Amino acid sequence: AQSVTQPDIHITVSEGASLELRCNYSYGATPYLFWYVQSPGQGLQLLLKYFSGDTLVQGIKGFEAEFKRSQSSFNLRKPSVHWSDAAEYFCGAAGQAGTALIFGKGTTLSVSS
Amino acid sequence: DGGITQSPKYLFRKEGQNVTLSCEQNLNHDAMYWYRQDPGQGLRLIYYSQIVNDFQKGDIAEGYSVSREKKESFPLTVTSAQKNPTAFYLCASAGGRTDTQYFGPGTRLTVL
Repeated sequence: AQSVTQPDIHITVSEGASLELRCNYSYGATPYLFWYVQSPGQGLQLLLKYFSGDTLVQGIKGFEAEFKRSQSSFNLRKPSVHWSDAAEYFCGAAGQAGTALIFGKGTTLSVSS
Repeated sequence: DGGITQSPKYLFRKEGQNVTLSCEQNLNHDAMYWYRQDPGQGLRLIYYSQIVNDFQKGDIAEGYSVSREKKESFPLTVTSAQKNPTAFYLCASAGGRTDTQYFGPGTRLTVL
């Protein structure tokens, strides 16, 4: 069955430190991959997406993600975290463009000062 | 101002009542989706529609119904048959070359 796994439920990072959020997928073929961010009580905002091509994808707010086919992973990174990055982050995958997404259960990021 | 709107932001319902959540988009997207979000569960697909007058069930369609009479609108009805309807409901739409999904602000439904 197709699935997306975010192994970390909650991560705390010091402000200014680097961040990596993990995402693993299980699909028959390489899916389209997405990272979204959600602030409390709000909708999801798209951070970045991978469809094909360059495996290092740049997104908004200084985030990037690297697609690794051999590891079935699409980890999200940021070199220096800001307090405003505290939110919940969701990794999603779709079998093809426009089809419904399968989401991981999310990772809550806390930022300490 | 283009985007996806959901109304109302908060909704309260008594047990046994049906309630309809609104989702409107002016992005000219063909596809629209409804997801349900529960704490620690991520987002689960309820229904989706890839074209007007057509829609498909998602993973948790029981107790819900939808219609897609206009391209811009995809309302979701939570019926009394839904056993645990209290949740945060998110609508999304997708279109264009990459068909990336964009989300509305959500509606929080509470059953009293």
